[in-house]
Amino acid sequence: GAGVSQSPRYKVTKRGQDVALRCDPISGHVSLYWYRQALGQGPEFLTYFNYEAQQDKSGLPNDRFSAERPEGSISTLTIQRTEQRDSAMYRCASSMPQTGKIYFGSGTRLTVV
Amino acid sequence: GEDVEQSLFLSVREGDSSVINCTYTDSSSTYLYWYKQEPGAGLQLLTYIFSNMDMKQDQRLTVLLNKKDKHLSLRIADTQTGDSAIYFCAVNKGGLTGGGNKLTFGTGTQLKVEL
Repeated sequence: GAGVSQSPRYKVTKRGQDVALRCDPISGHVSLYWYRQALGQGPEFLTYFNYEAQQDKSGLPNDRFSAERPEGSISTLTIQRTEQRDSAMYRCASSMPQTGKIYFGSGTRLTVV
Repeated sequence: GEDVEQSLFLSVREGDSSVINCTYTDSSSTYLYWYKQEPGAGLQLLTYIFSNMDMKQDQRLTVLLNKKDKHLSLRIADTQTGDSAIYFCAVNKGGLTGGGNKLTFGTGTQLKVEL
């Protein structure tokens, strides 16, 4: 596609429910990243993939958070048993290796009530 | 770990130059970025500079890098009302292969352009 696409754009969920956030990277981009951005802050790294392999998940806050990219293209970030503190903008980015250009999607605004 | 700091707010008059500053702590950063965030929009990659460069110019944008002081700046010439946004500085750590291109962001600088 033309850019990084994320869905849904907005998600409101009740505390305790599971949510799945989707990211469709730019076509052909090898690397895919997930970030979380709280209000008034810069994005913070969660995890990233090269192809289908999860290379680094050091930023995932706890074991309720997981991500996958089974075919090396679309990725899903799953949050189980959501809590109010999970409310944030979740951003996905993609890039090609050996380049400095990292492109972000518009994000998914998650609100846990 | 890496720490990236920016001033929170900058106000300029339309037509003036804006200079947004950023300091970072990790001298091993290889790429340094400026992103623009407008309300309700995604993060737009404005420009980036490789660590072996001192300056990069792209139309109205000039990026200056002082590696000794770990200081990065973004100058916007002839600032317009459409430049009003939050500007984020970001730096990576390590190389692009294997270790990926994990970014650490600053908290962002809100640029307000007044008529």
